[in-house]
Amino acid sequence: DIQMTQSPSSLSASVGDRVSITCRASQGITNSLAWYQQKPGEAPKLLLYATSKLQSGVPSRFSGSGSGTEHILTITSLQPEDSATYYCHQYYTTPNTFGQGTKLEI
Amino acid sequence: QVQLVQSGAEVKKPGASVKVSCKASGYSFTGNSIHWVRQAPGQGLEWMGWIIPSNGGTIYAPKFQARVTMTVDRSINTAYMEVTSLRSDDTAIYYCARDNGGTFHSWGQGTLVTVSS
Repeated sequence: DIQMTQSPSSLSASVGDRVSITCRASQGITNSLAWYQQKPGEAPKLLLYATSKLQSGVPSRFSGSGSGTEHILTITSLQPEDSATYYCHQYYTTPNTFGQGTKLEI
Repeated sequence: QVQLVQSGAEVKKPGASVKVSCKASGYSFTGNSIHWVRQAPGQGLEWMGWIIPSNGGTIYAPKFQARVTMTVDRSINTAYMEVTSLRSDDTAIYYCARDNGGTFHSWGQGTLVTVSS
């Protein structure tokens, strides 16, 4: 199985800040990487897919980059509603695997 | 709009089975695979497997191969996921999600399954 390691596991930031979350795969996954946002009591929501493609309706302050084994989610100009847990997801091969999550507190 | 509506919460005893349903609407049911993902209390997301509604083909994560069965009923646009021989560590929210190019663009609301004696 491909292991996905996210860092940091948690972070605290202020409104207007820029933050980055890294996801490292145990082997290359090309650009088969998605990011999800999950708020308490809700189902996850797709933010980005194919590493850097923004899902329809997602604000442009969310962006993704990377290739191979290292992928990064960047959120600029943080807003209070960005407080959530973020997960990366590799769909390069089965079994699909997720990172352990990054809890972002604003 | 695309909607996935799941069945309600369940409480089961260890050793029992549970079957969760996921009713799809707003798109052609046979056009996209359905994945199942679970989340234990306070934990992360865990992929269980997927089913291709058009032909019933399935792929399961090795961890779940022996105890999970995914099926569909195309006549009512509904996918099912059954877990047998339930244990306390199967307590989790179970989600269905619609595949689009490998990613999960739409999710059900989740079904809480509690396993307790």
